[in-house]
Amino acid sequence: GQNIDQPTEMTATEGAIVQINCTYQTSGFNGLFWYQQHAGEAPTFLSYNVLDGLEEKGRFSSFLSRSKGYSYLLLKELQMKDSASYLCAVVSNDYKLSFGAGTTVTVRA
Amino acid sequence: IAGITQAPTSQILAAGRRMTLRCTQDMRHNAMYWYRQDLGLGLRLIHYSNTAGTTGKGEVPDGYSVSRANTDDFPLTLASAVPSQTSVYFCASSAGGGADTQYFGPGTRLTVL
Repeated sequence: GQNIDQPTEMTATEGAIVQINCTYQTSGFNGLFWYQQHAGEAPTFLSYNVLDGLEEKGRFSSFLSRSKGYSYLLLKELQMKDSASYLCAVVSNDYKLSFGAGTTVTVRA
Repeated sequence: IAGITQAPTSQILAAGRRMTLRCTQDMRHNAMYWYRQDLGLGLRLIHYSNTAGTTGKGEVPDGYSVSRANTDDFPLTLASAVPSQTSVYFCASSAGGGADTQYFGPGTRLTVL
């Protein structure tokens, strides 16, 4: 089976930086996605990593280490609208997505 | 606006009833998926279709069936609903069935009493 772990909740202050970690043990690896999901809404795509290293996209960056089975999503210059759940999802050998339970980030003024 | 639509938005259903959740995409994506999302468990794959005419079972297929008669539509049927099927159901699509980005519909909130 697939095992994907991420913290349940994180709280940070507006303007700060938050790092959401994701560790995984899966049947093969064909990439890792991060999605953002606001309460009551659909998940929306943030990033995709398949090679080791850091991918930067504006205020959001995602890092992958395949040898360690580890990724993180870095949110910089936090804004109130960043309050949401962040989902880590791994593409396994059969090219299906396995999702972690999600990390709820609360941004406080 | 291009994307994925789901219907109904929400539904309350008596146990034992049959229910079909509808999903339509207009992006001409080959692959479509059904997930359920439960608190603390994350999204779990129910069924998928890599292309029109084919379907496959995901992680939690029992009690559900799907069909893919054409590219655009991918309905999910609960033949005889049970309370454990109370959940939020998301349909998604991707251009291909590999590691292509999946795009999600707005979801259907289903309550089975």
